[in-house]
Amino acid sequence: QSVLTQPPSASGTPGQRVTISCSGSSSNIGSNTVNWYQQFPGTAPKLLIYSNNQRPLGVPDRFSGSKSGTSASLAISGLQSEDEADYYCAAWDDSLNGNWVFGGGTKLTVL
Amino acid sequence: QLQLQESGPGLVKPSETPSLTCSVSGGSTSSSSYYWGWIRQPPGKGLEWIGSIYHSGSTHYNPSLKSRVTISVDTSKNQFSLKLSSVTAADTAVYYCARVSLDYGGNYYFDYWGQGTLVTVSS
Repeated sequence: QSVLTQPPSASGTPGQRVTISCSGSSSNIGSNTVNWYQQFPGTAPKLLIYSNNQRPLGVPDRFSGSKSGTSASLAISGLQSEDEADYYCAAWDDSLNGNWVFGGGTKLTVL
Repeated sequence: QLQLQESGPGLVKPSETPSLTCSVSGGSTSSSSYYWGWIRQPPGKGLEWIGSIYHSGSTHYNPSLKSRVTISVDTSKNQFSLKLSSVTAADTAVYYCARVSLDYGGNYYFDYWGQGTLVTVSS
């Protein structure tokens, strides 16, 4: 049971806009920023979005992040087949002396 | 370009205390700008933070693992390490090392990851 809640799956067709949600609480998303990671099978996670809505160099602007209250979202516009991957949200949690927490991950399928 | 490379025992027996090492190249573990961390992922499951360390040796552990985890840093070798005691099958996972960066707003994130090393606990 992950501290942050994500839908286990999401899907879309090429060119479509897809959003993935991440729900938390006041001790994590409600008081800290959210980061998003993209992971392809058999590879390490890659930083996709940091500090709620910042893109590292090299990440296409098709990927965007937002946060409101105790929830966050990752949006992917102009969906491409190569976007098919697992996506994880993460945030610092202030409870129990501090702890990084992750969502359970969302598997994105491009139909 | 920063690179991190994990190394570990691969297969360990229950109750043992495996040690994993993360070798850093293209950057320095003695930098005051970053932390260094360990994250694991059981097969087919999600990510779990294990702990982080600063170049000074200051550590922060996941409360659920704290009693079994020791993370250390050797700045002379540009490495940091993880020891996990009394392992069971539930500790079978891919173990990743990562760099923790800080943005101008004081927010942290894992920006560089190693490729991961699988540790299997089995008798």
